Amino acid sequence: GQQVMQIPQYQHVQEGEDFTTYCNSSTTLSNIQWYKQRPGGHPVFLIQLVKSGEVKKQKRLTFQFGEAKKNSSLHITATQTTDVGTYFCAGPHTGNQFYFGTGTSLTVIP
Amino acid sequence: GAGVSQSPSNKVTEKGKDVELRCDPISGHTALYWYRQRLGQGLEFLIYFQGNSAPDKSGLPSDRFSAERTGESVSTLTIQRTQQEDSAVYLCASSSRWGKDQPQHFGDGTRLSIL
Repeated sequence: GQQVMQIPQYQHVQEGEDFTTYCNSSTTLSNIQWYKQRPGGHPVFLIQLVKSGEVKKQKRLTFQFGEAKKNSSLHITATQTTDVGTYFCAGPHTGNQFYFGTGTSLTVIP
Repeated sequence: GAGVSQSPSNKVTEKGKDVELRCDPISGHTALYWYRQRLGQGLEFLIYFQGNSAPDKSGLPSDRFSAERTGESVSTLTIQRTQQEDSAVYLCASSSRWGKDQPQHFGDGTRLSIL
């Protein structure tokens, strides 16, 4: 069946360092969504990518969708303590399901 | 309220008891999802409702789990004869219409603990 894997599972960075999480699907995706979940909170939608090779930016966050539409990445430049949380990618499956990735938990050390 | 509302926020119950979790989606949102999130894990799809269409129950882990939704309003997730492995946060999400390109808006979840 379809799987959506994310690496790394955990990442600790010093404040000001960059951070990247990678999302890989076993099948081609029509689109990919990214969510952020703060500790103790619920997932919050960040962005959606649809086109092959698409790149979108939100301030210090850069999102990419691979050419084959099977992988994606989220890069944060100059992390801040407010970036702490778990970042999930999510891709649509057949039917109505969304497969959420395993998540990358980011810790930012002040 | 503007967001997805879930109740109760926390539920502690004994093994073998039945529990009912409630989700009130954003007004006007026709699509509704239930997910399970175990501690430190990702989101596991359980069930999907879209308007008056038959729900997609393909993610329900066993016949102890069931869910209902009347039209485009409140949904309830029921777990019968709870087991310790059911301990998790149960998240509900709604989106404005059917479509795999719609962002999902999540509630704060119900934290279920089975003793």
